Amino acid sequence: GAVVSQHPSRVICKSGTSVKIECRSLDFQATTMFWYRQFPKQSLMLMATSNEGSKATYEQGVEKDKFLINHASLTLSTLTVTSAHPEDSSFYICSARETRNTEAFFGQGTRLTVV
Amino acid sequence: QKEVEQNSGPLSVPEGAIASLNCTYSDRGSQSFFWYRQYSGKSPELIMSIYSNGDKEDGRFTAQLNKASQYVSLLIRDSQPSDSATYLCAAPGYSSASKIIFGSGTRLSIRP
Repeated sequence: GAVVSQHPSRVICKSGTSVKIECRSLDFQATTMFWYRQFPKQSLMLMATSNEGSKATYEQGVEKDKFLINHASLTLSTLTVTSAHPEDSSFYICSARETRNTEAFFGQGTRLTVV
Repeated sequence: QKEVEQNSGPLSVPEGAIASLNCTYSDRGSQSFFWYRQYSGKSPELIMSIYSNGDKEDGRFTAQLNKASQYVSLLIRDSQPSDSATYLCAAPGYSSASKIIFGSGTRLSIRP
């Protein structure tokens, strides 16, 4: 299957700082990328959908000023968690797909711990 | 009604048996369906995609699609302990723009 690379895999940051997570599609052009958050033993929660060159569409309840998403090219999307707090600690996962009806491939995930 | 529904399990199957995972969907316009496997603490990985009615086989995995009944299933033959994971059914949201809609997942446990 296609490869989606997410970096970093783990990050620990201090409360009040910002963290950037990168998601790259390595062998295909991703017209759409998705960002999820997952708490232990819970389902994937979609945070936002981003299409290349457009503003991201955020799910209800997700603060767009806190979770900044940039999808500047067909192979790269970034999620920046601004002014992180301990309650933002979670497993963040990106996925990418080439076209509307095709499957999406997931990155390895980023485990964020805010101390 | 949820757009993609799965039994949350846990589903316990003896090693070597067939594990059957089921999924129903509400949007008749859905054209494609995906099964993902997620191990605890890891991100989901794609196992199968199915686009047309009938069966699709890949090794020990068979996906079955019945569009008339709005039903998708995944069969795992000769179940192994390494198959123990959460299995997610997904479909592009026809009426939800460009989203992919995931079921809540079925937790599968293969007992030795």
